Order: sequence, then C-alpha cells, then structure tokens
Amino acid sequence: DADVTQTPRNRITKTGKRIMLECSQTKGHDRMYWYRQDPGLGLQLIYYSFDVKDINKGEISDGYSVSRQAQAKFSLSLESAIPNQTALYFCATSDLAGDEQFFGPGTRLTVL
Amino acid sequence: QKEVEQNSGPLSVPEGAIASLNCTYSDRGSQSFFWYRQYSGKSPELIMFIYSNGDKEDGRFTAQLNKASQYVSLLIRDSQPSDSATYLCAVIVGISQGGSEKLVFGKGTKLTVNP
Repeated sequence: DADVTQTPRNRITKTGKRIMLECSQTKGHDRMYWYRQDPGLGLQLIYYSFDVKDINKGEISDGYSVSRQAQAKFSLSLESAIPNQTALYFCATSDLAGDEQFFGPGTRLTVL
Repeated sequence: QKEVEQNSGPLSVPEGAIASLNCTYSDRGSQSFFWYRQYSGKSPELIMFIYSNGDKEDGRFTAQLNKASQYVSLLIRDSQPSDSATYLCAVIVGISQGGSEKLVFGKGTKLTVNP
C-alpha cells in the first residue's frame, strides 16, 4: 500500500460547493503539507502542520482551511469553491523540515 | 526576487548528451537543497539532495552547489528518453529570518530527451 494516500483522486464540482480533500499517511511523520500545482507555476504551499496542534498558513491560504484530525490525517477544505481553484492538489509529509518530503498521488480538482 | 528561480525551459537534448538544469535562490541562510523529478500527471519524487558546497554524484546524476553564488545545478549524464520530465529545485528557506523554515519550490524545468 502507498505510504501517502489522497482521496478523491479526481473531483469535478460546481462554483459555491464545499469540497474536502483528504490525506492519510502511514509513514509516521509529524509534518504534513498541502500544495497546489498549476501549469507553469510550480508547487505553491497552502497550509502546513508540524504536529496535531500546530497548523500554519502557507503562501496561498485564502479560500482554504485545514484540519489535522490525527498525526496520520490532514484534510484540506474549500468552503465555497471557485473556478480559479481548479488545480492539481498534493499532500506531502516529512519527518523534519530539512528532510525529504514524500508526496501523495495528487487530487485533480475541477471547479465549473 | 523570487525565492527560488529556475529556467522554465523547455530544455531539449539528444539521447546520450548531458542535460544541465540550473537554479538560483535568494535566502543566503539556506543550507538544504533538493532536486525532485515529476513525470507528467504524477507526483514529485526526490532524486538528489545536497547540503555542502561542491559536487555530489549519484549514478548518472550530479548535483552542484555554490553557496557564495547562491546557485545549485543538476547534471544528468548519458541522458535517456526516460529522463524526460519536469525537474523541480527546492530550497529550505526561512532559517536566517528567524521564522519557521519551509521548503520552497521553483517552478520547474521541463526536460525532453530525444531518441
């Protein structure tokens, strides 16, 4: 089984809908991250969490919220989806900030 | 100046040639540098990391770091069509600013190796 899993893998939704993307990991890492990737823009950090009680905004957190339900689970929510949130979303984990980040397979989200 | 900059390419090289990918960064306090490879539609995967000035070799891959010039590069020798992917440079920033350190990615360079 994959170490970092994301659900759903693909989602099409309409403007104004609430969407939750889920991430689970079996690596035992404390640190978890949510990124979005748009063509030509690279990976942009949305939120990150160093442990269950520590959640931090990244560079593009507006319009998003997160929940760290347990060490192994980190969810990203779009409270009211808009078309410019159409992107590929990745969850990642790491043991320490200076160590390798392990990525999930990604969720392709389309907001119509 | 953006924190991590890469030439977006695309970079096209013939099979068997050396591909050279470059990256510059703005945080002089950065100590950790990474190269990720991302195939189209897939997630990034780490292929190299480097912490010290100089060269680090792993098989056909060589990472080069010059902290004085704030420059890190990746060389791929004997390039193969399977090396065709987007290569992301990533740098740990924020240490010198006293805040939480974080990994910042460049926008990536798309490499195509032609048979």
